[in-house]
Amino acid sequence: TQLLEQSPQFLSIQEGENLTVYCNSSSVFSSLQWYRQEPGEGPVLLVTVVTGGEVKKLKRLTFQFGDARKDSSLHITAAQPGDTGLYLCAGAMDSNYQLIWGAGTKLIIKP
Amino acid sequence: KAGVTQTPRYLIKTRGQQVTLSCSPISGHRSVSWYQQTPGQGLQFLFEYFSETQRNKGNFPGRFSGRQFSNSRSEMNVSTLELGDSALYLCASSELTGNTGELFFGEGSRLTVL
Repeated sequence: TQLLEQSPQFLSIQEGENLTVYCNSSSVFSSLQWYRQEPGEGPVLLVTVVTGGEVKKLKRLTFQFGDARKDSSLHITAAQPGDTGLYLCAGAMDSNYQLIWGAGTKLIIKP
Repeated sequence: KAGVTQTPRYLIKTRGQQVTLSCSPISGHRSVSWYQQTPGQGLQFLFEYFSETQRNKGNFPGRFSGRQFSNSRSEMNVSTLELGDSALYLCASSELTGNTGELFFGEGSRLTVL
């Protein structure tokens, strides 16, 4: 059982559409990171959210950390083919020395 | 600043063989973590080394081992390979140990076991 559940597992949409992917848990996290992994590459950090209710924007990407610090979402506006990749969330818990990883959302943006 | 370098990028082994993978972290980073990535499973934590000491170990059998050298370079070894060991093995370096700080990943070593 994954401590961090990501949904959807797979999403394929047309260029220009908006989308939201989710990272949910029943556990509380002290912080949560979002990474993007492109084919043939390792994951790259996009953002770290720390405060409950926090919203961070990175160009067309908006990240939100839930008020209770149990969940997070990533919203992409006007998706582009360059957004294609595997989006991974990873949470830090005070009771666990290592990051807890979700299984990822595979996103394909069709031109 | 050079990124994290993993070698080899691709390798094919047969069941029962052993394999050694290498990781050179970003200069100045003393933490090196290893992950196994398989489709649908996300990243499974193998172990972390910090200043040549293993700080934490994931839930993998003893066939999986690692070490870190004084220059922070790290190796992981898998003995008596099984078909299920086929995966992408990722190495990540960080300035900090544990679950804080940004992880910088290499491109991975893709292992196929036949």
